[in-house]
Amino acid sequence: KQEVTQIPAALSVPEGENLVLNCSFTDSAIYNLQWFRQDPGKGLTSLLLIQSSQREQTSGRLNASLDKSSGRSTLYIAASQPGDSATYLCAVRPEHSYDKVIFGPGTSLSVIP
Amino acid sequence: DGGITQSPKYLFRKEGQNVTLSCEQNLNHDAMYWYRQDPGQGLRLIYYSQIVNDFQKGDIAEGYSVSREKKESFPLTVTSAQKNPTAFYLCATRDRYTEAFFGQGTRLTVV
Repeated sequence: KQEVTQIPAALSVPEGENLVLNCSFTDSAIYNLQWFRQDPGKGLTSLLLIQSSQREQTSGRLNASLDKSSGRSTLYIAASQPGDSATYLCAVRPEHSYDKVIFGPGTSLSVIP
Repeated sequence: DGGITQSPKYLFRKEGQNVTLSCEQNLNHDAMYWYRQDPGQGLRLIYYSQIVNDFQKGDIAEGYSVSREKKESFPLTVTSAQKNPTAFYLCATRDRYTEAFFGQGTRLTVV
């Protein structure tokens, strides 16, 4: 059974710092992996989608990497800003259970001015 | 303005009452999903639909029901059989590239 974990559960950093959020999954047979941002009381906003054949995706100050064989993905945020404060979730789409995306519990990020 | 609209934003349910959460999309996506989110937990799949007039149970379907009469609409009914319905409910769609898009959610509270 596919399980997704995210470490750390919460992170507090000073403004301007570069940071890395981690996502681990137990079954490497995935179709893709997606990173989301969730602000308190809001829905999820898609940040980056990495297909299984890709190693990384970049959007602005965000860079996501994928290592299928080791079951890991990282989200790198450069030069963090207070506006980056939110919960970040990763989700994997299994190859053999296409519609049942598995979500991690999220990392709550706080960027201190 | 394309997107997914969930309503209401807040909903209060009395014991033994059925309530319906609305989800409407104008993205022309075939696949639609309902998730439940509890504090400190990841999202859990309630129901999903890949085409009109067809839907499948997710991991926690007990106490919930759905319909898909139109491509644009996928309402979720929380029935009295759902004993612990207080949660944040999220509706999502999926495009042909398998990217997921989410609505802004409905917070349901039992009073």
